Amino acid sequence: RKEVEQDPGPFNVPEGATVAFNCTYSNSASQSFFWYRQDCRKEPKLLMSVYSSGNEDGRFTAQLNRASQYISLLIRDSKLSDSATYLCVVKGFTGGGNKLTFGTGTQLKVEL
Amino acid sequence: NAGVMQNPRHLVRRRGQEARLRCSPMKGHSHVYWYRQLPEEGLKFMVYLQKENIIDESGMPKERFSAEFPKEGPSILRIQQVVRGDSAAYFCASSPAPAGSGNQPQHFGDGTRLSIL
Repeated sequence: RKEVEQDPGPFNVPEGATVAFNCTYSNSASQSFFWYRQDCRKEPKLLMSVYSSGNEDGRFTAQLNRASQYISLLIRDSKLSDSATYLCVVKGFTGGGNKLTFGTGTQLKVEL
Repeated sequence: NAGVMQNPRHLVRRRGQEARLRCSPMKGHSHVYWYRQLPEEGLKFMVYLQKENIIDESGMPKERFSAEFPKEGPSILRIQQVVRGDSAAYFCASSPAPAGSGNQPQHFGDGTRLSIL
């Protein structure tokens, strides 16, 4: 089983749609969680951290369910510029430190 | 305020040559991480370094790969006797926080695209 699993997509949605991505992680000792986005295999850019209470940043909402080891990202009113690959990222403290473990990403294509 | 700086952006080497990839962390960051992204795959952790120390190298291949982060100067990822399978994007990230501080994110450089002929 992969440490971080995501549906690779692609998700093709019209502009203005709401889209949700899910992610599961296998290591219950994981401490911190993030969503990054990656455009055309450029550098990953932090989208948002994910907190147990859930958090929102504009059109983006992230949720964490520790019991189910499940993370989600909701994008409302999607824009063409949201087209990218969304990476679910987990940070743990097993094996020595701060390493990030990445999912393979979910591709989003927002269309006119 | 410069971000994480990596150079070169693109590097072409022939099989058997050496590749040196450089990474200067963000100002004030003393923790550096290297990740590799093979074509059509996700990013994979390679190594975590602090100044003059390797903290976690669990993702580094046992042979041909080495990393350092000297007291002065950038972090270097060195690949000796490169093979075709080393072709990938190599990303460096940095953070200001020591291990155990929770949600401090890592900030990534633009990456070095290594191509082996």
